Amino acid sequence: QSALTQPASVSGSPGQSITISCTGTSSDVGGYNYVSWYQQHPGKAPKLMIYDVSKRPSGVSNRFSGSKSGNTASLTISGLQAEDEADYYCCSYAGSSTFRYVFGTGTKVTVL
Amino acid sequence: QVQLVQSGAEVKKPGASVKVSCKASGYTFTSYGISWVRQAPGQGLEWMGWISAYNGNTNYAQKLQGRVTMTTDTSTSTAYMELRSLRSDDTAVYYCARGPSRAGNWFDPWGQGTLVTVSS
Repeated sequence: QSALTQPASVSGSPGQSITISCTGTSSDVGGYNYVSWYQQHPGKAPKLMIYDVSKRPSGVSNRFSGSKSGNTASLTISGLQAEDEADYYCCSYAGSSTFRYVFGTGTKVTVL
Repeated sequence: QVQLVQSGAEVKKPGASVKVSCKASGYTFTSYGISWVRQAPGQGLEWMGWISAYNGNTNYAQKLQGRVTMTTDTSTSTAYMELRSLRSDDTAVYYCARGPSRAGNWFDPWGQGTLVTVSS
């Protein structure tokens, strides 16, 4: 199972919106509405930001939103803030015959 | 609150085995799976597999089949991940995370991570 493809880096100024893409195949991203997104600050454990493509866990800012079209999922951060600078990873269910998951390659978000 | 607390850092020689523990609290242990994810230095996240705390069923990443074993002890709400025949490229931070479950296919929360260093 190959990792999902994400851009290595995305940057934006405070207050701007940015979008991170996550491209897979019909066997993972395109086949199920089970894409989740994780934020990871340096030296810290990942934190769930989005699940089931577009749902936000309680406590996560509504500046974070998710969507999907075909084999590509996207995470949008609006009103970019300094605290959003981190690594972001998508993850998709890749099951059917096997109950497995695959992560994306990761994207470094820089707030200019 | 829901919390996963992992065991401490380990240093192992090539060919040895390591067993990392993950103690859960704040929820019904058997209602969720426990997944294991690792991150090599400066690299991305790699899903290793998961175990159902309800019935002990496991699913492992193909590349680790035969070298990894995941288990649980429901009496102490603790999950374990054992990796055998360690190589230098197994050096990584190993995370446990709650999930998946009947509620869905996501991982939340995560343990603090356990650094495993493989070096001669």
